[in-house]
Amino acid sequence: DAKTTQPPSMDCAEGRAANLPCNHSTISGNEYVYWYRQIHSQGPQYIIHGLKNNETNEMASLIITEDRKSSTLILPHATLRDTAVYYCIVNRDDKIIFGKGTRLHILP
Amino acid sequence: GAGVSQSPRYKVAKRGQDVALRCDPISGHVSLFWYQQALGQGPEFLTYFQNEAQLDKSGLPSDRFFAERPEGSVSTLKIQRTQQEDSAVYLCASSTLAGYTGELFFGEGSRLTVL
Repeated sequence: DAKTTQPPSMDCAEGRAANLPCNHSTISGNEYVYWYRQIHSQGPQYIIHGLKNNETNEMASLIITEDRKSSTLILPHATLRDTAVYYCIVNRDDKIIFGKGTRLHILP
Repeated sequence: GAGVSQSPRYKVAKRGQDVALRCDPISGHVSLFWYQQALGQGPEFLTYFQNEAQLDKSGLPSDRFFAERPEGSVSTLKIQRTQQEDSAVYLCASSTLAGYTGELFFGEGSRLTVL
């Protein structure tokens, strides 16, 4: 079973920041938080991952709470091409389990 | 391109037929994974190879499913005596790192429909 809990769907207006939450209250000290997304009819695409510190790359920012029990993926300026299912995963040395993710709709 | 390539993209099989799905990972990638994705669900783990060694096959749903990677590069997922419940998208992913950590690069998948 997935170790994370995500809302099944979210809406975001185009051009606004999309903030996708994830709860992982049972995360272990050495487990990373990974985010992937899956655009319709494509394979999942890696976005970002982190352990304790906040992380940023060209796609997104990852904010992890101090107790590491939850995190937020931020897409700073959402576009229609960001419409996808977003998966939050915690993992260290075991198979990656995807769960059902959050279906993000970007509204024009 | 230099990404993970899967073939065929679409396969229709009659119930009871055998099918073979091919995955060409990114050159030099050590790890290779197979996932099964049913309609409306997230991908589910099937099996993991490190080079030519199949280190984890805990997700294979039955003994009708068989995967191999004989030379540590191309992999084939074979499904014998296909059943309707095998209808799904089969995704292959590869990674530069050994083990389960690190970024996975996925192919576009092979969509199997069993009639």
